[in-house]
Amino acid sequence: GEDVEQSLFLSVREGDSSVINCTYTDSSSTYLYWYKQEPGAGLQLLTYIFSNMDMKQDQRLTVLLNKKDKHLSLRIADTQTGDSAIYFCAERFDSSNTGKLIFGQGTTLQVKP
Amino acid sequence: GAVVSQHPSRVICKSGTSVKIECRSLDFQATTMFWYRQFPKQSLMLMATSNEGSKATYEQGVEKDKFLINHASLTLSTLTVTSAHPEDSSFYICSARKRGDQISNTGELFFGEGSRLTVL
Repeated sequence: GEDVEQSLFLSVREGDSSVINCTYTDSSSTYLYWYKQEPGAGLQLLTYIFSNMDMKQDQRLTVLLNKKDKHLSLRIADTQTGDSAIYFCAERFDSSNTGKLIFGQGTTLQVKP
Repeated sequence: GAVVSQHPSRVICKSGTSVKIECRSLDFQATTMFWYRQFPKQSLMLMATSNEGSKATYEQGVEKDKFLINHASLTLSTLTVTSAHPEDSSFYICSARKRGDQISNTGELFFGEGSRLTVL
């Protein structure tokens, strides 16, 4: 079965880097995603990485993928108070051929001024 | 582009009544929509996959007679919580995949803002 795990909480100071980690179990995943959810809102896609890539950088965001260990991380450089939110990693469970996503529990990022 | 809207954003109902939540893709056609349920401080639990013009596929443990899903058009899917009880109180989120988006593509899903259901 598919399973995605994340740590639940991370607190950093404004200006520091944040690293949010995620592990997954489905080795057939083709894409892995990072979504951001602000309070009371839906999910916003931040970035994604294809499974044959090791790293992807997009402005302040860096995604690292270790496919051997099934480990995904999201690094946010120069973290701002506006980055405070819940961050979900998700893997695309392609076995169903519908493109459905399986989400981790979400990591609450708290950014202190 | 790629906006998904849910309505209502908040609804309070009495136990035993039924509640309908709509999910609309405003500027694109969605052949597939997904319905998720989110408990406080927890992940999104996939409830069902809704395909236009066909019956929804429910995840294990989700009662299809309790959570009725209809995907009548390429821009609208509805979730009806029948005979709602307090334990059905939750945040329900839909997401949509664009028509023509192939599995080989990034498979980006576009999420609605969510609907908070409170059953008294």
